[in-house]
Amino acid sequence: LAKTTQPISMDSYEGQEVNITCSHNNIATNDYITWYQQFPSQGPRFIIQGYKTKVTNEVASLFIPADRKSSTLSLPRVSLSDTAVYYCLVGDIVDTGRRALTFGSGTRLQVQP
Amino acid sequence: GAVVSQHPSWVICKSGTSVKIECRSLDFQATTMFWYRQFPKQSLMLMATSNEGSKATYEQGVEKDKFLINHASLTLSTLTVTSAHPEDSSFYICSAWTSGSSTDTQYFGPGTRLTVL
Repeated sequence: LAKTTQPISMDSYEGQEVNITCSHNNIATNDYITWYQQFPSQGPRFIIQGYKTKVTNEVASLFIPADRKSSTLSLPRVSLSDTAVYYCLVGDIVDTGRRALTFGSGTRLQVQP
Repeated sequence: GAVVSQHPSWVICKSGTSVKIECRSLDFQATTMFWYRQFPKQSLMLMATSNEGSKATYEQGVEKDKFLINHASLTLSTLTVTSAHPEDSSFYICSAWTSGSSTDTQYFGPGTRLTVL
């Protein structure tokens, strides 16, 4: 499974755009990139998932360059409630073997007023 | 998105007793579920893969006789911590895959906080 590297922590202010970059240099051809958000004492919450280029949903955007060796989660106009740990996971999600995704250390985002 | 539930959300037990945690997929069937453990300030660590109708697959270092997993139906997997000790106190989280039109997504339950006295 591809290993991921993220910044340990980031700080931001309310209303700002936050970009969290994840490195996954040994991503495989069939691997997808998935981001999760986790609040204390809660299970991870699915944010967004993509394979290449750009994916956007109602809460975030995911930018993936052509070489797919990294990806950037973009959170527009963060609020205090976005303070959480964000995990980038890489894995073959269409594999019929249904392997579990491996969690890295995640990025602890602190949003200040 | 798909919903995965866990019960109980928290439990306190005495050392030496057994505790059962349930994981349910509420609006989809899950032939495979996963059990994770998370200690404070740490990331999630995969414990085992629960397969409906067959034996679970445990990660290296996880005692299969201590953490009993049963996946008796397509919507329910249970994790029983047997003879619990204080070092088993942790946050236990389950997850399950759902199938989309072109890709699958792994959804997680809300977690169960286990405290062993």
